Amino acid sequence: GAGVSQSPSNKVTEKGKDVELRCDPISGHTALYWYRQRLGQGLEFLIYFQGNSAPDKSGLPSDRFSAERTGESVSTLTIQRTQQEDSAVYLCASSLIRTGHNEQFFGPGTRLTVL
Amino acid sequence: AQSVTQPDIHITVSEGASLELRCNYSYGATPYLFWYVQSPGQGLQLLLKYFSGDTLVQGIKGFEAEFKRSQSSFNLRKPSVHWSDAAEYFCAVALKTSYDKVIFGPGTSLSVIP
Repeated sequence: GAGVSQSPSNKVTEKGKDVELRCDPISGHTALYWYRQRLGQGLEFLIYFQGNSAPDKSGLPSDRFSAERTGESVSTLTIQRTQQEDSAVYLCASSLIRTGHNEQFFGPGTRLTVL
Repeated sequence: AQSVTQPDIHITVSEGASLELRCNYSYGATPYLFWYVQSPGQGLQLLLKYFSGDTLVQGIKGFEAEFKRSQSSFNLRKPSVHWSDAAEYFCAVALKTSYDKVIFGPGTSLSVIP
């Protein structure tokens, strides 16, 4: 079966513009995660979905960032009024949550460059 | 505070040499433990995981890791490194009380020289 897919793979935008990043999780995976990875850095947790609800939004860096998910399917991460510090790779992962089996499957990421 | 540390930011080893990457965690109880690898330009791939039982776990690509409760460590090892192992390695933990929250360490970058 298909893995996690993300689109676009690369996005270049001008400062102040809005961008929308998409994640298609593995079919049947109830949990979906968004992470940000700045150049040469580790993974920064942004938000987690269980189904279409987000029990943990603690990682969203500002109110310019928002995310939504349709059922147990596609998720979009929206960044409004982008800033240069938003430049990073945005990774999505999905997981079939059950006790003791929280292996996350990662997508290839979207590389965002804000000029 | 709960945390995951990887003390080595960057490691260089010769091809064929053995490898050990360190990971320590700070939690009140034994969490679920993972090692992921990120090759250049690629997404993260799970190498191995520990949930319970045997403290020495085997993973893909010839990697293994040992959980040591007394040291709160989960170090990754490989007896003989290949040039294709050059990548970024991330240790991660998930709490058994809220196993949907996964915390990643800062990563260790591995370079392999011929």
